[in-house]
Amino acid sequence: DIQMTQSPSSLSASVGDRVTITCRASQGITNYLAWYQQKPGKVPKLLIYATSTLQSGVPSRFSGSGSVTDFTLTISSLQPEDVATYYCQKYDSAPRTFGQGTKVEIK
Amino acid sequence: QVQLQESGPGLVKPSQTLSLTCTVSGGSISSGDYYWSWIRQPPGKGLEWIGYIYYIGSTYYNPSLNSRVTISLDTSKNQFSLKLSSVTAADTAVYYCARDYLHGGGMDVWGQGTTVTVSS
Repeated sequence: DIQMTQSPSSLSASVGDRVTITCRASQGITNYLAWYQQKPGKVPKLLIYATSTLQSGVPSRFSGSGSVTDFTLTISSLQPEDVATYYCQKYDSAPRTFGQGTKVEIK
Repeated sequence: QVQLQESGPGLVKPSQTLSLTCTVSGGSISSGDYYWSWIRQPPGKGLEWIGYIYYIGSTYYNPSLNSRVTISLDTSKNQFSLKLSSVTAADTAVYYCARDYLHGGGMDVWGQGTTVTVSS
């Protein structure tokens, strides 16, 4: 099965900073990659699908890029409400494996 | 809009079977556009995909749980269910059901989650 590896596992940045999270698949998954945001104590929320398509209602400061095995989630200007854990997930086929998560905090 | 709601016992004894139901409202579980999925999250840990079912009854399970998992659906009640057998403390988690777009759009609708504790 394909494994999904995120880096870093956690990061601390200042409000307004550009934040980048990486997700690497152990085999190619074309562009079948989604990103989820999970705020503390809350339900995961779909942010991005098909590598770079923003789900309706998601702020434009979030963006996704990449292809095949290497993918990136970028927050262009970190806001206090972005404090959360972010997960990537492959959905080219089952199993729909998640990355281990990246916890984003405000410095 | 479509909403999902998990239900089931919050406490299960070791070696017994965990049983949860997800009720879908505002849409039909018989829609051919979605897989209906279960995901879990142990305390303080990440998300683990358990498996999904398609409206015709076809299923796919996480290989790490395959021998213990059964997902089924009841179209008359617009529900789908999870059974996990021979549970241990490692199965203690928040269990979520979610809608997974067949044509590639991720899991766009999630239930609120239900906490299941495995303990004697």
